Amino acid sequence: RKEVEQDPGPFNVPEGATVAFNCTYSNSASQSFFWYRQDCRKEPKLLMSVYSSGNEDGRFTAQLNRASQYISLLIRDSKLSDSATYLCVPSDTGRRALTFGSGTRLQVQP
Amino acid sequence: NAGVTQTPKFQVLKTGQSMTLQCAQDMNHNSMYWYRQDPGMGLRLIYYSASEGTTDKGEVPNGYNVSRLNKREFSLRLESAAPSQTSVYFCASSLWMGAYNEQFFGPGTRLTVL
Repeated sequence: RKEVEQDPGPFNVPEGATVAFNCTYSNSASQSFFWYRQDCRKEPKLLMSVYSSGNEDGRFTAQLNRASQYISLLIRDSKLSDSATYLCVPSDTGRRALTFGSGTRLQVQP
Repeated sequence: NAGVTQTPKFQVLKTGQSMTLQCAQDMNHNSMYWYRQDPGMGLRLIYYSASEGTTDKGEVPNGYNVSRLNKREFSLRLESAAPSQTSVYFCASSLWMGAYNEQFFGPGTRLTVL
């Protein structure tokens, strides 16, 4: 089983829509989770960190389900500028290295 | 603060040539990382340095060497470039404290090996 699994998409949504991505992880020792966004051929940028059951930052909400080993990212009121690839990254205390999957591509359309 | 900086931004090499990619961070982070990203793929870890004076292999270390010059700088060297090393290279740093391991990335070096 892959360490991180995400639907590659693309998710094509109209501006103003609400969209959610799920991410499943296999390492039960993962303590924290990060969502990054990556624009085409640019560096990944940290969007949100999740240390407990979830986190919210403006239009973005992350929810963690440790029992089922998945984490979701909800984007409300989508903007054209939200078009990017979203990477779910688990982290455990025993490892410095993070595992980055290929992510989920979001395309917000006018 | 500049965050993580990388030089050069672009580079074209011929097979067999060598080069060093430079990375520096000004966030006083203890850990630094080198990744490569091929088209349509996720990031793959080449090497990392948990702290000044230490380096460890990642998932794809063959064909590369690294040097952690000081706390700020971490360089990646290709001794004899091969076309398979054509990729985008990202450097990252983090203040590793257990689960608090957010990594911050530089803008990348786009390398083409002919």
